Amino acid sequence: GAVVSQHPSWVICKSGTSVKIECRSLDFQATTMFWYRQFPKQSLMLMATSNEGSKATYEQGVEKDKFLINHASLTLSTLTVTSAHPEDSSFYICSAVSLAGGPTDTQYFGPGTRLTVL
Amino acid sequence: AQSVTQLDSHVSVSEGTPVLLRCNYSSSYSPSLFWYVQHPNKGLQLLLKYTSAATLVKGINGFEAEFKKSETSFHLTKPSAHMSDAAEYFCVVSDAGGTSYGKLTFGQGTILTVHP
Repeated sequence: GAVVSQHPSWVICKSGTSVKIECRSLDFQATTMFWYRQFPKQSLMLMATSNEGSKATYEQGVEKDKFLINHASLTLSTLTVTSAHPEDSSFYICSAVSLAGGPTDTQYFGPGTRLTVL
Repeated sequence: AQSVTQLDSHVSVSEGTPVLLRCNYSSSYSPSLFWYVQHPNKGLQLLLKYTSAATLVKGINGFEAEFKKSETSFHLTKPSAHMSDAAEYFCVVSDAGGTSYGKLTFGQGTILTVHP
């Protein structure tokens, strides 16, 4: 149980276009989903916290107008990279906290999406 | 505020020998601590977690970690390394008792190499 999927697993796009990444909790309901970014050979950096039915909370330095997050249901959150540029190329990872998880902060991670902007 | 320091960026061991991956943390509240493993091109997998219960935590695949409050450490160990253990390991802290519920802070990662 506790499976999180991401789609697509990798995407290549042209500079200036927008890309949408989906994060789904497959067998549980998630009140909260998180979006992380991982640069090559670096650790994960939290970008934003997404709560179902409300606006996402962005970490300092993350442009909310560039990285649009929508958490429309208890099983789906989307990250849209708008007007992508080469410096946005990275590995984007989502995670989800189970509705029944309690205060133990066990996050279940998706497999990640590799974005390459040409 | 919370932070995590993984003391080794790379660890290399021979198959069948013990593994030690070191982690120190800083937290203003009673922390929750985790170890995650990331295999190439795969998602992060939870190895084990500490949430103020027993200080010696057993995880999957023979890994275990001991929470030592006096040393602010949460080192990951395994008695005998297997080739399949080669991966990157992340020590993670969360201030479950504070206002940052659900917010994880990752260490820099330790790449484990296992030689035949």
